[in-house]
Amino acid sequence: EAGVTQFPSHSVIEKGQTVTLRCDPISGHDNLYWYRRVMGKEIKFLLHFVKESKQDESGMPNNRFLAERTGGTYSTLKVQPAELEDSGVYFCASSQPTWALRSGANVLTFGAGSRLTVL
Amino acid sequence: QKEVEQNSGPLSVPEGAIASLNCTYSDRGSQSFFWYRQYSGKSPELIMFIYSNGDKEDGRFTAQLNKASQYVSLLIRDSQPSDSATYLCAVRSGGSNYKLTFGKGTLLTVNP
Repeated sequence: EAGVTQFPSHSVIEKGQTVTLRCDPISGHDNLYWYRRVMGKEIKFLLHFVKESKQDESGMPNNRFLAERTGGTYSTLKVQPAELEDSGVYFCASSQPTWALRSGANVLTFGAGSRLTVL
Repeated sequence: QKEVEQNSGPLSVPEGAIASLNCTYSDRGSQSFFWYRQYSGKSPELIMFIYSNGDKEDGRFTAQLNKASQYVSLLIRDSQPSDSATYLCAVRSGGSNYKLTFGKGTLLTVNP
């Protein structure tokens, strides 16, 4: 079974430019999450999709960040325009359909992350 | 106030010893608790989860949960150099809220 795939693994852009990060979850995982780790800080929640719907976007920093999951498969996270403080590692994770979560813990499988450096 | 606290370490133990990693959390409504291991530059990998008070064992790993004290720990028996990594404690509040709140992680080094 393929894991959670993220692209690119590393992106270096200048302040003011646009970057789009992509996440391909595990096949059949309805739940998809974006998290971010800024240097020296803990991994923080950004948002949660159930299929193509945004279930919780309370962690999105501001309106420069736009996440989409058209068709309920892969997801993109766009940062436009990028600022210096957006630098960090962006993790995507996925988990089983919601009906399966009720029987136990919500086990997330993470991707390797996309490192974003804004100069 | 930090929601999930971990000692950042580094925690250094000799090979074969028991490594003890600790985590406290502030939300009394938290229901599920997770330990992830992360090697440098790699994805966080689930080691164990626990949601009932007491101990849960899986091979060399034991998770311990004390909800009254808002404390969760991970014990690694017979530590191996390959266990050297950052260990992340994560907590889920429960209900329909599936997001995880992470601690900063504890860097563990197992010396041969």
